[in-house]
Amino acid sequence: KAGVTQTPRYLIKTRGQQVTLSCSPISGHRSVSWYQQTPGQGLQFLFEYFSETQRNKGNFPGRFSGRQFSNSRSEMNVSTLELGDSALYLCASSLTRTGRNEQFFGPGTRLTVL
Amino acid sequence: DQQVKQNSPSLSVQEGRISILNCDYTNSMFDYFLWYKKYPAEGPTFLISISSIKDKNEDGRFTVFLNKSAKHLSLHIVPSQPGDSAVYFCAAFNTGNQFYFGTGTSLTVIP
Repeated sequence: KAGVTQTPRYLIKTRGQQVTLSCSPISGHRSVSWYQQTPGQGLQFLFEYFSETQRNKGNFPGRFSGRQFSNSRSEMNVSTLELGDSALYLCASSLTRTGRNEQFFGPGTRLTVL
Repeated sequence: DQQVKQNSPSLSVQEGRISILNCDYTNSMFDYFLWYKKYPAEGPTFLISISSIKDKNEDGRFTVFLNKSAKHLSLHIVPSQPGDSAVYFCAAFNTGNQFYFGTGTSLTVIP
């Protein structure tokens, strides 16, 4: 069974631009969560999508948004990029809503904002 | 507001000895705790979990201890192996809410 895939793996953008990251969950998994990992902050929860609906949202500004498609694939968008958005963005999928269900992480997208 | 804290950014241990990784949390509503292991260029992988109704869970060389009164959990790895060298994240969950992760501890097991 294929794991969680994220594209692209690396991305370089400049301040003010916008970016879209993609995540394909494990086949059959319906929940996708997104996290931002930065040094010193660990993994910070962005949002969770289940059945195409955002079910939970972390404490991030509105520049961060996402969506989930009917095939459970998810995209995350960041508009008006700032230098502080440079981070590793991880998505994780689980069979149903996150909780006691194990989350399976993708390798992440490394975003660098110049 | 960091609700889950790992105060040791790094830890070095000799092969064969015990590794103890620590994690503290502030929210008494957390009822489920997990440890993840992360190698460079890979996503975190689940290692072991514990429910708040237990104080210990063991899986092979890995044991997680939970002290609810102290809001503290620890991961013991015995014996430590060079392949255990990775970054370890603890995470806490409040049913109906979201996961909160610590900042990670980088473990180096010296052969």
